[in-house]
Amino acid sequence: NAGVTQTPKFQVLKTGQSMTLQCAQDMNHEYMSWYRQDPGMGLRLIHYSVGAGITDQGEVPNGYNVSRSTTEDFPLRLLSAAPSQTSVYFCASSYSFYSGTGSKANEKLFFGSGTQLSVL
Amino acid sequence: AQKITQTQPGMFVQEKEAVTLDCTYDTSDQSYGLFWYKQPSSGEMIFLIYQGSYDEQNATEGRYSLNFQKARKSANLVISASQLGDSAMYFCAMREAGGADGLTFGKGTHLIIQP
Repeated sequence: NAGVTQTPKFQVLKTGQSMTLQCAQDMNHEYMSWYRQDPGMGLRLIHYSVGAGITDQGEVPNGYNVSRSTTEDFPLRLLSAAPSQTSVYFCASSYSFYSGTGSKANEKLFFGSGTQLSVL
Repeated sequence: AQKITQTQPGMFVQEKEAVTLDCTYDTSDQSYGLFWYKQPSSGEMIFLIYQGSYDEQNATEGRYSLNFQKARKSANLVISASQLGDSAMYFCAMREAGGADGLTFGKGTHLIIQP
């Protein structure tokens, strides 16, 4: 009954350091995504994936890389951390993909518990 | 222009009263979905309710209902008989058929239920 698991829960980095935020889901969801949440900004989409081997950019992709080698895992990489990347990061997955053809897919996202990242 | 607008940064409501949280959206797509999520102080994102653009009836989930007015591009969340545990941030979100995938979120409303 794990759902979406994110690690770590908290992380402090120095400017220029690299790290990977891990995300795993055990619901066999095709769709996975990363969001960041900043005060007063709501959640903003960083990157997403509609299946293994397929990724695409969201609203705020700069400074982040992703890959999707398996259905279960969708790690988010910060290659050179900057103070502007201080935020709370959420991974989310969905059991359906919105086809855009007019289908009424229920696109409920299942969220992980979040990672609080501070870059000094 | 913002795609999701929540005009109430914060609200105070007496326990047991009904609450309406406002959400307006902007899209040129005919097919889209609207969502409400709750984020308590613990930080997790909890799905509350979903409304598809082609759904003719307003969505309901227990004490939550979505007042969907398509012509006005409005998707207000109504919480009946509010409880102290309803105190949280509430986010309205939209998924469109075209453009980048994923949900577009509003900036949220901080709801505080007073005893």
